[in-house]
Amino acid sequence: GQQVMQIPQYQHVQEGEDFTTYCNSSTTLSNIQWYKQRPGGHPVFLIQLVKSGEVKKQKRLTFQFGEAKKNSSLHITATQTTDVGTYFCAGQSGSYIPTFGRGTSLIVHP
Amino acid sequence: DVKVTQSSRYLVKRTGEKVFLECVQDMDHENMFWYRQDPGLGLRLIYFSYDVKMKEKGDIPEGYSVSREKKERFSLILESASTNQTSMYLCASSPTQRKTDTQYFGPGTRLTVL
Repeated sequence: GQQVMQIPQYQHVQEGEDFTTYCNSSTTLSNIQWYKQRPGGHPVFLIQLVKSGEVKKQKRLTFQFGEAKKNSSLHITATQTTDVGTYFCAGQSGSYIPTFGRGTSLIVHP
Repeated sequence: DVKVTQSSRYLVKRTGEKVFLECVQDMDHENMFWYRQDPGLGLRLIYFSYDVKMKEKGDIPEGYSVSREKKERFSLILESASTNQTSMYLCASSPTQRKTDTQYFGPGTRLTVL
């Protein structure tokens, strides 16, 4: 079945440094979604990418969808302590049921 | 705003007990999902439902069952709880079967089985 690999599992950064998490799918995706889960919270939808090569920005967050629609990345510029949490990608191909990556936990040191 | 609520934030049960986890959504969504979340394993789909009385197995259905008697309510049942079912359980809903629909999660239930 479809698999979505997400790396790294953990990332420690100093406040102000950049952060990137990557997702790779074993199959071509129709779209990919990104979610953020704050410590003690639940996943909350951030954004969805649909088009090949698509790039979307939300303030300091940049989301990319690969040309082949098999990979995606989330990049945070100049991290802040409010960015702490676990970031999940979720890919969909033949079904409306998303396959979640295992998540990347971001730890920001002040 | 979509609201997904779960009956308990924390639950402690003993091995062998029957456990019910309830989830309610208030936005008339067609689909509802149950996940468990464990450190390093991400979100794993247990069961989902796309309509009242309809259910489909997810990736890890063993040891669980579900019930959806009303559109807004989706229950997860552990017939005989075991210690390896200690986990965070997350319920989610989504509006339709369009691939572009996003999922809305409840706050989660942290279940401990002693």
